[in-house]
Formats: sequence, C-alpha cells, structure tokens
Amino acid sequence: DAGITQSPRYKITETGRQVTLMCHQTWSHSYMFWYRQDLGHGLRLIYYSAAADITDKGEVPDGYVVSRSKTENFPLTLESATRSQTSVYFCASSESQGINYGYTFGSGTRLTVV
Amino acid sequence: GENVEQHPSTLSVQEGDSAVIKCTYSDSASNYFPWYKQELGKRPQLIIDIRSNVGEKKDQRIAVTLNKTAKHFSLHITETQPEDSAVYFCAASPTGRRALTFGSGTRLQVQP
Repeated sequence: DAGITQSPRYKITETGRQVTLMCHQTWSHSYMFWYRQDLGHGLRLIYYSAAADITDKGEVPDGYVVSRSKTENFPLTLESATRSQTSVYFCASSESQGINYGYTFGSGTRLTVV
Repeated sequence: GENVEQHPSTLSVQEGDSAVIKCTYSDSASNYFPWYKQELGKRPQLIIDIRSNVGEKKDQRIAVTLNKTAKHFSLHITETQPEDSAVYFCAASPTGRRALTFGSGTRLQVQP
C-alpha cells in the first residue's frame, strides 16, 4: 500500500558506518514496528513504538536505535554497522483501535554491510 | 516472551490438493493469531486472522483453526492454485501487546 513507504529500497554500506533506514506512514497509525528478515529466522522484532515519543525494545534490539518524534515517521539507525546486520528490514504500522490489528508492511529495505 | 514454532518449513503439493501449515505458541496470554503471505521479493501481506475466542474462521479457500488448550493453530488452503505458491508466516500476540511474534515461515510450492 502506498500509505507506508520505506527508503532506501537498497543500501550497501561499510562496516562501522552509521546508516539510517526511513519509514513513513500516512494513516496516522499509532503503532509502528521494525522487523528484520533473515533466511530461517522469519521476521524478528527489533523495536516498536506505541505512539510518538514512546518506543520499546523487541527481540533483537542490540546495535539499533530508533526515535519517533512524529507519528508518521519511525527511522531505524544502525550506529556502527556490522556484517551480521545484513538483512532485509521491514517497517510496519497498525491501528490502535479494533480487536484485530494486522500489520501493513512497507516494501522493505535490503541492507548489505560489506 | 512468546515463542512461535512453525511446521513444515517447506511444503510441495499438486494443484488442486489441500495444504496445511501448523504453528504452536508458548504464551497462554496470546489472543490474536494472524497469517501472512509473502511472495518472492514482496512484502508480507495479511491473509487471515483469528482471535482466541473463535475456534475457526474461513475466507473462501483458506481457513484457520485454533486449539487454545493445545496452544496450536493451523492454516488450511483448499483447492490450491499455482498463485498460492509463496512463503506463509504465522504470528501470535499476547493480550495488551501489539507486537507480533512470527514463526520461521513455510515455503509452499504448488505444482501445476
């Protein structure tokens, strides 16, 4: 859906560099999430946010930093990239209301750390 | 925290046959169980979901069943078609927590 966009789609960076992945949604969804997808591991939660200025760690937060100063944006920063962070990163958002809260995912960012 | 196990990791069926993918979860507080389909190079997309107060839900050729006592839930696809070929993920979420824990995925291949 065009309502949630990630950038860049592809990124190659060197070990030790800082890199930021962007996520923007236009629905004013309260919840936003960052997952990484690696073969054999499915989707693993890195960080999530329930609202602006509220963030929480997921399953694999080490080496990542997030912020959410505005409801629509949820950037993910790798402070010092390592090869083990080579992965496909998906951002997702979810409504705060309703009993079923399936995610809508962005198109993903394929990050390669060399 | 929640742990979701998914089986099988790969599944090959003939067109027209049924396919079943099974997941187990560890946290008895989980009450929401969605399934996602991910085609090659694409984003995961929600195909069906179920809450813990419902035992079964159907949507055309797909259905999900939930056994709370055994803590497992399954995806059933009937009359499979080549376009059903994709990776399928199950997920679970405890009450009051929107963050989903995903299974490791099942690659379904439907042979024409």
